[in-house]
Amino acid sequence: EPEVTQTPSHQVTQMGQEVILRCVPISNHLYFYWYRQILGQKVEFLVSFYNNEISEKSEIFDDQFSVERPDGSNFTLKIRSTKLEDSAMYFCASTGIGEKLFFGSGTQLSVL
Amino acid sequence: KNEVEQSPQNLTAQEGEFITINCSYSVGISALHWLQQHPGGGIVSLFMLSSGKKKHGRLIATINIQEKHSSLHITASHPRDSAVYICAVVARRTDKLIFGTGTRLQVFP
Repeated sequence: EPEVTQTPSHQVTQMGQEVILRCVPISNHLYFYWYRQILGQKVEFLVSFYNNEISEKSEIFDDQFSVERPDGSNFTLKIRSTKLEDSAMYFCASTGIGEKLFFGSGTQLSVL
Repeated sequence: KNEVEQSPQNLTAQEGEFITINCSYSVGISALHWLQQHPGGGIVSLFMLSSGKKKHGRLIATINIQEKHSSLHITASHPRDSAVYICAVVARRTDKLIFGTGTRLQVFP
């Protein structure tokens, strides 16, 4: 079965540093998403991306966050100046029209 | 109040039992997803529903749009079914996925 791949699997960073989380969605998918899950809490929607632009974003997705699809295959989430409360598991997902979601295995971000 | 509520929050079962997990939501939706999250954290999509019923192996998912309710059933449960099961809805006219808090299922041999 096709897979969504995420790198790195773990990222440790100092508060205030920039991080870029990378995702390779399934090749023929059109819709891309980032979600996060703080330890012990439910999964939260961050942003959806379609046709090379953001289609929806949550209140969490403030000016510190940005997404890009720089080369037609990668889909990145950038956090410009990380805060302690950004520590979470970040999941990328992709889907086609009328399909179920395919999730990556996540990037565990720890901000110290 | 959460827009997506699941019950029960925790569920234990003996191998072979029939299991039902419920999901109620308060917003208009275009679709509902049932997801499975294993202890390692990875998330697998089990079903996407917009109406009726779907079956895959021992798993059955139903949705009643008028009652804003969905159920996930597991027949002949097995210890490998132990996981957190998450209901998530796609709010109508958006791409936003709203997640429930999950139901933690443990199936004992």
